This record gives sequence, structure tokens and C-alpha cells, in this order.
Amino acid sequence: SQTIHQWPATLVQPVGSPLSLECTVEGTSNPNLYWYRQAAGRGLQLLFYSVGIGQISSEVPQNLSASRPQDRQFILSSKKLLLSDSGFYLCAWSPDGNQPQHFGDGTRLSIL
Amino acid sequence: KQEVTQIPAALSVPEGENLVLNCSFTDSAIYNLQWFRQDPGKGLTSLLLIQSSQREQTSGRLNASLDKSSGRSTLYIAASQPGDSATYLCAVLSSNTGKLIFGQGTTLQVKP
Repeated sequence: SQTIHQWPATLVQPVGSPLSLECTVEGTSNPNLYWYRQAAGRGLQLLFYSVGIGQISSEVPQNLSASRPQDRQFILSSKKLLLSDSGFYLCAWSPDGNQPQHFGDGTRLSIL
Repeated sequence: KQEVTQIPAALSVPEGENLVLNCSFTDSAIYNLQWFRQDPGKGLTSLLLIQSSQREQTSGRLNASLDKSSGRSTLYIAASQPGDSATYLCAVLSSNTGKLIFGQGTTLQVKP
């Protein structure tokens, strides 16, 4: 069966520091991968998605970037964090764009 | 642009009640609609998925309906239990953009 892992579960970072959140999927190959952010009082917002290695689509202008160095690895990064980057970050995968998405447990990011 | 709305934003009921959560969407061009459950500080768990050609899906005490022409879905929970307390999210997969668009959720509290 397929599983999705995100880490860390929680992270506290100072403003201006770098960020790297990792997501990996097991038990499938060539999945679609997604990064979402859930800010307090707001719905889930799609940040990035990827249909293959090295292929990244950005949904909104922002301070973050994403990379897919391996088939089942999706990384969310920032060079310098802003206060507005605080939130709950969720990674998801699907077999293809028309199939249900399956979510990881999320990373709670707090910026001080 | 697809917009998803969930009403009510919060709901508190005594244990044993049957209840209905509502979801509406503005664009009927969808592949499917999913209902998710989110516990505090956790990721999303998929409850039910209804394909655009289907009218309803059932799993245990949960029943979800879809009326694509009117842009509405309901999640019916029978004989509610305290363990059902969580935030319930509705999401549609747009056939125009291939993106999963979420509502802001209904936070349910079932009191013993």
C-alpha cells in the first residue's frame, strides 16, 4: 500500500532563516505531488504541484520554492522566511490529475 | 473561477443526532467531489469521493450526495458520536484546471 511521509511535524524558525520541508511517498511510482498551505482561518491553498522529476508548477507568487529531485520526493524551500509564511503545510499525492489526492500529516511552521 | 463554500462554519450537536453538512460550488465542470476529515493539528483523511457521474456514496454512518447541476453536495452523518468531532472539508476537482479547490470547512463538535 502507498504511504506519504512529511517531516518535521512542527518547526519554529526566526524571520529571515532558510526553510526545507520534505515529503516522500512510498508504494507508487511517478505520482503527482502537491504542496498546500492552510493558514489560520483560511482554506487550503495550492502552492505547487509536480507531474514528474524536475517539473514544478507554481500556483501563487510567493517567497517559497519547490523541487522534485527524485520521483517520490518533494521539497518545499525558502531562502529567507517571512512572518507571513507561518501556517500548516500539507503534502499530497495522487496517481494522476483525475484521481483522489492523499495527504500527509502536515508540518506546523511558526515564524518568530 | 471555481469557489467552494461550506455552511455552517461551525456546528455543535448532542450525541446521537443525525446531521447534515452542506457544500456548494460555483462551477459544475468537475471531475469529482471529495469530503475530508481533519482532526486538530493533523492532515486530511479522505472520507468519501463522488465522481461527477454519481449521485451519492455511502460509507458506514456517512452518506454524501452530489447534485452537480445545482452545485451542491451534502454530507449526512447518522447517529453522531463524540469521536466524529473534527473539521469536515469539501473539495472539488476542477475539470477546467485540474486543481482541487477546497471549502473552508465545517467544524463539528458532538457533545456526550
